[in-house]
Amino acid sequence: AQSVTQLDSHVSVSEGTPVLLRCNYSSSYSPSLFWYVQHPNKGLQLLLKYTSAATLVKGINGFEAEFKKSETSFHLTKPSAHMSDAAEYFCVVRGQGSGTYKYIFGTGTRLKVLA
Amino acid sequence: EAQVTQNPRYLITVTGKKLTVTCSQNMNHEYMSWYRQDPGLGLRQIYYSMNVEVTDKGDVPEGYKVSRKEKRNFPLILESPSPNQTSLYFCASSSGRYEQFFGPGTRLTVL
Repeated sequence: AQSVTQLDSHVSVSEGTPVLLRCNYSSSYSPSLFWYVQHPNKGLQLLLKYTSAATLVKGINGFEAEFKKSETSFHLTKPSAHMSDAAEYFCVVRGQGSGTYKYIFGTGTRLKVLA
Repeated sequence: EAQVTQNPRYLITVTGKKLTVTCSQNMNHEYMSWYRQDPGLGLRQIYYSMNVEVTDKGDVPEGYKVSRKEKRNFPLILESPSPNQTSLYFCASSSGRYEQFFGPGTRLTVL
């Protein structure tokens, strides 16, 4: 069975400093992985996706994530945080086999950006 | 514009009064799904549908029903809502290959 763990429920960074949001996954097969962002009182927006092509995936708004099979990780990074990045971020793994249509969400990481 | 729409966006109701939350997508997606979002728990899947007349339970299906009579619509039905179903609900659709597209959410309060 697939699962995903977001290692930090809250992360605070200063504006202009790097962002690191950590995600570990569990999967028997090569997974499809996603990061979504949810701004306050908004829906979910796709930031980026990994689908077994390049291991370094670039997304919108300067975010990127690196798929590391040996570490079963898919951490989200951004070189320089902006105030508008304050939001909740979800790491998602898509099931395989009979669970192909199941998308398993992490519990979320709330990013706070300090001025 | 490609989108997933949900109605209503906000709903306050009382225990036991049947309600339906509608979901519609205009992307001709085969796959649709319902989630509930609760603080600290992320999004949990309630039901999903792989195509018309094909549905299956997610992780938290108790107290909910769904139907998929048309490809574009996937309503969520609460036959007898209870306070523990107070939550933020999201509908999503996908071609089945990669990412899902989400609706704007429905905030439900059951008194």
